[in-house]
Amino acid sequence: GNSVTQMEGPVTLSEEAFLTINCTYTATGYPSLFWYVQYPGEGLQLLLKATKADDKGSNKGFEATYRKETTSFHLEKGSVQVSDSAVYFCATRGVNTGFQKLVFGTGTRLLVSP
Amino acid sequence: NAGVTQTPKFRVLKTGQSMTLLCAQDMNHEYMYWYRQDPGMGLRLIHYSVGEGTTAKGEVPDGYNVSRLKKQNFLLGLESAAPSQTSVYFCASTQGLSSGEQYFGPGTRLTVT
Repeated sequence: GNSVTQMEGPVTLSEEAFLTINCTYTATGYPSLFWYVQYPGEGLQLLLKATKADDKGSNKGFEATYRKETTSFHLEKGSVQVSDSAVYFCATRGVNTGFQKLVFGTGTRLLVSP
Repeated sequence: NAGVTQTPKFRVLKTGQSMTLLCAQDMNHEYMYWYRQDPGMGLRLIHYSVGEGTTAKGEVPDGYNVSRLKKQNFLLGLESAAPSQTSVYFCASTQGLSSGEQYFGPGTRLTVT
């Protein structure tokens, strides 16, 4: 089945640093790809998504580009803030699945210090 | 519009006790899910439902049962709790196949001693 692999954390950065969190996928066909974020004590919420190759998802200064040739969907932000401290999950869903099933990576914790 | 709510937020059980976790959504979503989150393992799907009156097994269903008698509610039951079921449980819902977005509740932290 489809799967995603993301880098282990924690990722520790100073405020205004550049962020990259790597995510690669294994899938049949070209599945939609997602980044979810989990702030402390909360449930997950969708950060951004891309539904086809070369699509770029963006939200709140975060970006990720669906790259078919490298099977990757790396999350980037040019200048992180303390408020970005959270756990980030890469996820995918299958093509032609009978229902909305998501497969999540193990999560990458981001810690941003002032 | 409350979105997805979960009850309770925290619970401590002794081994062998039973309990039910309640998930409610007010978005009229067809699909609902129960996940568990454990350190280093991401989210794993326990059970899901594709509509009122239907349920199906996910990847880690053993030791859990579910029911979806009403469209807006999805119940997760533990008949005889075990320490291995200590986890954070998340409920999620989604409307259909197009957007891919699932809406999550705030979670229930369960400890089994």
